Amino acid sequence: QSALTQPPSASGSPGQSVTISCTGTSSDVGGYNYVSWYQQHPGKAPKLMIYEVSKRPSGVPDRFSGSKSGNTASLTVSGLQAEDEADYYCNSYAGRNTLVFGGGTKLTVL
Amino acid sequence: QVHLVESGGGVVQPGRSLRLSCAASGFTFRNYGMHWVRQAPGKGLEWVATISYDRSNGYYADSVKGRFTISRDNSKSTLYLQMNSLRADDTAVYYCAKDESYVSSWVDYWGQGTLVSVSS
Repeated sequence: QSALTQPPSASGSPGQSVTISCTGTSSDVGGYNYVSWYQQHPGKAPKLMIYEVSKRPSGVPDRFSGSKSGNTASLTVSGLQAEDEADYYCNSYAGRNTLVFGGGTKLTVL
Repeated sequence: QVHLVESGGGVVQPGRSLRLSCAASGFTFRNYGMHWVRQAPGKGLEWVATISYDRSNGYYADSVKGRFTISRDNSKSTLYLQMNSLRADDTAVYYCAKDESYVSSWVDYWGQGTLVSVSS
């Protein structure tokens, strides 16, 4: 049950794009298409942004997109806006009905 | 809409017990798996436990196995977490979370969390 690996921080200017990686193993990210991404603002509960690698829930802007290659998943935020500044966490199903989260990435909009 | 409200958090001494509750509404509770996820102060999210839709099985992170028990009462649409032998490193905000499936795939909704502080 080792945490998925995310970069601690990422940044970009308004209007730019930024990509956050999430690296696991063949037992989690690489083994299932159940990768999800969550946005968390300070003091708030996490919010689902991406599920099943690349699907967006209703209400999430299409500026947010997800992908996966092998054991690494990625979240891309295009056209950065000030309100995108938050912590982002990846999550994967890890078999035997368990889940594993990434360590989180603090996204700063410069 | 989906609403998850946790309760039962507070300050507790090391070695003592605490039971968290999560009242669910806005969806057919008995059809979905449920999770507890925690977040220590200033830290990331950590999956704690999962229970299947029909209460038949609970699944646990190694860090809590043997000390915590997840359960649910489908007649009351309520999820529970019994926490025994609490330690300082159990201090965290505990979130109740709904799964998209009948057991475990991904979390689609979260509660607002309840703070558990383990301190002497």
